Amino acid sequence: GAGVSQSPSNKVTEKGKDVELRCDPISGHTALYWYRQSLGQGLEFLIYFQGNSAPDKSGLPSDRFSAERTGGSVSTLTIQRTQQEDSAVYLCASGEAPISYNEQFFGPGTRLTVL
Amino acid sequence: RKEVEQDPGPFNVPEGATVAFNCTYSNSASQSFFWYRQDCRKEPKLLMSVYSSGNEDGRFTAQLNRASQYISLLIRDSKLSDSATYLCVVMEYGNKLVFGAGTILRVKS
Repeated sequence: GAGVSQSPSNKVTEKGKDVELRCDPISGHTALYWYRQSLGQGLEFLIYFQGNSAPDKSGLPSDRFSAERTGGSVSTLTIQRTQQEDSAVYLCASGEAPISYNEQFFGPGTRLTVL
Repeated sequence: RKEVEQDPGPFNVPEGATVAFNCTYSNSASQSFFWYRQDCRKEPKLLMSVYSSGNEDGRFTAQLNRASQYISLLIRDSKLSDSATYLCVVMEYGNKLVFGAGTILRVKS
């Protein structure tokens, strides 16, 4: 079946612009995560959605970052007033509950470059 | 101190070698543990979960020591295709996954 998809695959933007990144999880997966990975670094947790529960936003680095998940499916991550340090690969993952026992499936990521 | 620490490597080994990676985690309340594999410029993929009793999947063996907060991955009979970055992953309360920075493995013929 279809895996996790993300769009765009690459995004180049100018400092100060807003960007929106999209994630389409695997159908039926109730858990959805956003991470970012800077060059040569590990994955950094950003935000976690589980069903209809309030999202865990504890990983968002600043109030310029926000995410929503509409209808329990598609998610968008928005970065306002982008800065050069926001340049990274943004990865989305989805999984079935209970997530502690089930695999997270990652999308191919969006490579964001802020000039 | 990082929440999940790994030796970044790289580990350069010949084909057929046995190689072991270690990982330590700081949160004693961590609930679940995994090894993921990430190929160059690709997304991470689950390699195996790590159980308290230790578990094996073909050439791969994972072990967990909760008392020492230590996780290991052993790869036997290394193949060229095993070359990748291996990510140690710890799940904390609230289903938050914390990733180590990864250990690079390069298997050479």
